[in-house]
Amino acid sequence: EAGVTQFPSHSVIEKGQTVTLRCDPISGHDNLYWYRRVMGKEIKFLLHFVKESKQDESGMPNNRFLAERTGGTYSTLKVQPAELEDSGVYFCASSQGQGGLVFTEAFFGQGTRLTVV
Amino acid sequence: AQKVTQAQTEISVVEKEDVTLDCVYETRDTTYYLFWYKQPPSGELVFLIRRNSFDEQNEISGRYSWNFQKSTSSFNFTITASQVVDSAVYFCALSEGPFSSGSARQLTFGSGTQLTVLP
Repeated sequence: EAGVTQFPSHSVIEKGQTVTLRCDPISGHDNLYWYRRVMGKEIKFLLHFVKESKQDESGMPNNRFLAERTGGTYSTLKVQPAELEDSGVYFCASSQGQGGLVFTEAFFGQGTRLTVV
Repeated sequence: AQKVTQAQTEISVVEKEDVTLDCVYETRDTTYYLFWYKQPPSGELVFLIRRNSFDEQNEISGRYSWNFQKSTSSFNFTITASQVVDSAVYFCALSEGPFSSGSARQLTFGSGTQLTVLP
């Protein structure tokens, strides 16, 4: 079974440009999350989709970041325009949806390393 | 608010030594989950363990063991007889209980501990 796949693995762009990151979750996983690790600090939550709906987007840093999950399958995270402080590793994770208070762990992708110069 | 502290930024040990990675957490919730993830040089985050707040029983899996103590809000991770392949960044994480809809809440991570095992 394929795991969580992220594309590209690396991206180097100039300040002011636009970049779109893609995440393909594990098939059948309703929950999809975006996280970011900046400059060796902790990994921080950005947002959470349940199917195609945004359950929680409290971690999105500002309106330069736009996440979508059309059809409840893959997700994209667009940064427009990119700034220097956006550099970091962006992780995507997915987990199954469960009825009731059953917790399922999240499986992470390998991350996209974004460098804004 | 939730917080996870991994005070050890970097640890170096020689192969076959035992090493303990510390994790201290803060939460106001009575139902929560604690995790450890491993990030090898290849970059992906590999799930190691999940514990819920109602289960303080320590766990051992091969050379790995975890010590969960609610009294000190700690969830420490010990690797026995370390190997070079254990070299990685290790993250401790915390999550509140699921939403009433059943969907899982997000993880709050510590800043990670870089473990280097020297041959």
